[in-house]
Amino acid sequence: EPEVTQTPSHQVTQMGQEVILRCVPISNHLYFYWYRQILGQKVEFLVSFYNNEISEKSEIFDDQFSVERPDGSNFTLKIRSTKLEDSAMYFCASSEALRPGSDYHSSYNEQFFGPGTRLTVL
Amino acid sequence: KQEVTQIPAALSVPEGENLVLNCSFTDSAIYNLQWFRQDPGKGLTSLLLIQSSQREQTSGRLNASLDKSSGRSTLYIAASQPGDSATYLCAVNGRSGGYNKLIFGAGTRLAVHP
Repeated sequence: EPEVTQTPSHQVTQMGQEVILRCVPISNHLYFYWYRQILGQKVEFLVSFYNNEISEKSEIFDDQFSVERPDGSNFTLKIRSTKLEDSAMYFCASSEALRPGSDYHSSYNEQFFGPGTRLTVL
Repeated sequence: KQEVTQIPAALSVPEGENLVLNCSFTDSAIYNLQWFRQDPGKGLTSLLLIQSSQREQTSGRLNASLDKSSGRSTLYIAASQPGDSATYLCAVNGRSGGYNKLIFGAGTRLAVHP
């Protein structure tokens, strides 16, 4: 069964360093997302991406964050200068394109999540 | 601003019981609602997606209902098993939250003991 994959599973970094988290969405999906979950807290939306551009972002997603689809399969989240409070589990998700014959926007479709990358900032 | 609440926060039951997990949301203008399962330290597994036009969805021993007008969804787990032990998350996708992002509840932590 197709699944979203993420690498690395765990990343430890020093405060102020740049990190890149990688995701491979499900192959026929066209919408991509990043969420994060700080330990003990709710899962929070960061950003959504469609057609090679950001379609929506939260207030958390400031200038320190960026996303990219560098090739046909990968989707990355970059944090330019990590802070202690960036320590969290980061989840990538994807959802499929508009189904033929459906008038639902493709964002209405089911989102599938990867296993997450645990980022620890020291 | 959309807020999602899940009750109870934690539940411990003996194997074989039928369970009801509750989810409520403050803005009824949603496009869909998704139930997830999360095992400790792991990712989110999608269980069921209910579109706003639907009343319920079933998958195996799971049944999710949606009452959009009252801002409620329930996840019914029949004949619970120890393997069902996990945190169950409810998430909504709706107009007030932005049309392509999920807003999550804090989850219900379920423990099923033999």
